[in-house]
Amino acid sequence: EVQLVESGGGLVQPGGSLRLSCAASGFTFSSYSMNWVRQVPGKGLEWVSYISSSGSTIYYADSVKGRFTISRDNAEKSLYLLMDSLRAEDTAVYYCAREGYRYDSSYAYYYMDVWGKGTTVTVSS
Amino acid sequence: EIVLTQSPGTLSLSPGERATLSCRASQRVNSNFLVWYQQKPGQAPRLLIYGASSRATGIPDRFSGSGSGTEFTLTITRLEPEDFALYYCQQYGSSPLYTFGQGTKLEIK
Repeated sequence: EVQLVESGGGLVQPGGSLRLSCAASGFTFSSYSMNWVRQVPGKGLEWVSYISSSGSTIYYADSVKGRFTISRDNAEKSLYLLMDSLRAEDTAVYYCAREGYRYDSSYAYYYMDVWGKGTTVTVSS
Repeated sequence: EIVLTQSPGTLSLSPGERATLSCRASQRVNSNFLVWYQQKPGQAPRLLIYGASSRATGIPDRFSGSGSGTEFTLTITRLEPEDFALYYCQQYGSSPLYTFGQGTKLEIK
């Protein structure tokens, strides 16, 4: 079964740090780019960060740039998000999501086709 | 930055009716990179439609997507009880890498 399982969430004080992990199984992890997406309870989805299959290309949302660091270990089939200088507005459920793709003739399609159940991060004193 | 605006915010319909959800982009979006997700309470989003009109694996054919440029539509014909949920559109490719709409809540009337 294709699966992503996040862990590492919890309660942290403003200014603190937290490291999220996402364990992949059921597919060739090293062949897929991965993303972190967050959702404030009762609100919409916000893309946080992207890492390519090899780890050589990384992108961040402006809201977390300079504070969050995405990484991966293909041998361990794991994705990580190191979150520093946390703020109250970082409180959310954090999902890891696989970037699926399809190529046909001259077209490429990208989407998030596998999601974990999420881990909750609460930033509060 | 491309902004995706979904309408209506809430749509109240009855099972068996047809639902039409709109996603409008502030700039032209490559149709290949327009995606729709469904999210139920307490669950992660589920991929429904990619490439604006291609159904993901296992998605019933009552779900269809259409549109191009800046106007995209998700249509659900003959609503089933399990279809009442939140729906998000998403675009890929422009900074930021991914952008989501704010969502449309499809509720039972």
